[in-house]
Amino acid sequence: AQKVTQAQTEISVVEKEDVTLDCVYETRDTTYYLFWYKQPPSGELVFLIRRNSFDEQNEISGRYSWNFQKSTSSFNFTITASQVVDSAVYFCALSENSGGYQKVTFGTGTKLQVIP
Amino acid sequence: EAQVTQNPRYLITVTGKKLTVTCSQNMNHEYMSWYRQDPGLGLRQIYYSMNVEVTDKGDVPEGYKVSRKEKRNFPLILESPSPNQTSLYFCASRRGAGGRTGELFFGEGSRLTVL
Repeated sequence: AQKVTQAQTEISVVEKEDVTLDCVYETRDTTYYLFWYKQPPSGELVFLIRRNSFDEQNEISGRYSWNFQKSTSSFNFTITASQVVDSAVYFCALSENSGGYQKVTFGTGTKLQVIP
Repeated sequence: EAQVTQNPRYLITVTGKKLTVTCSQNMNHEYMSWYRQDPGLGLRQIYYSMNVEVTDKGDVPEGYKVSRKEKRNFPLILESPSPNQTSLYFCASRRGAGGRTGELFFGEGSRLTVL
């Protein structure tokens, strides 16, 4: 079974629209970490946020916000008033204990296209 | 500047010709890892290292080797590359291997084509 599911393969929105990227994870650990990374067209991977399993507070950073819900095992990412520069592939990732170390498993990514 | 450096960034080679992709980090991180990125599959872990001389297989280790003789370096070796190893490769490092874990720092990626 996939540990991190990003069901949305590709999303297109018109600039200034809000968009939510879904992430559902699966783990038996009580202590784990969730991440979002951005991969712009230039190809590098940019860290956006880390959240540990004990902190369910939602977080807002400028136009970005994250909604962590343990009850539904989801860690969704919302971009408000999207801009062309938000066009990228976004990866959700789960870090959990695996044989004594924290293994990071990535979802398959969601490609976001923001149309001007 | 804290960074992970991979070389080469781009490489076209032929089946069977051994190659090495180097990875170096300047953050004194204990943990290092290699991932490959393929369309529709996301990033999959090839090998990882928890510290010097400690390496282990990830999810897709076949056809790859690694070594960790120094803390800062973690080269990826393809002894006999095949076309199915055509991919985008990322090296990553992280402070600590277990317990409280920070984010992964990634290199810029190495695009490998095997003809």
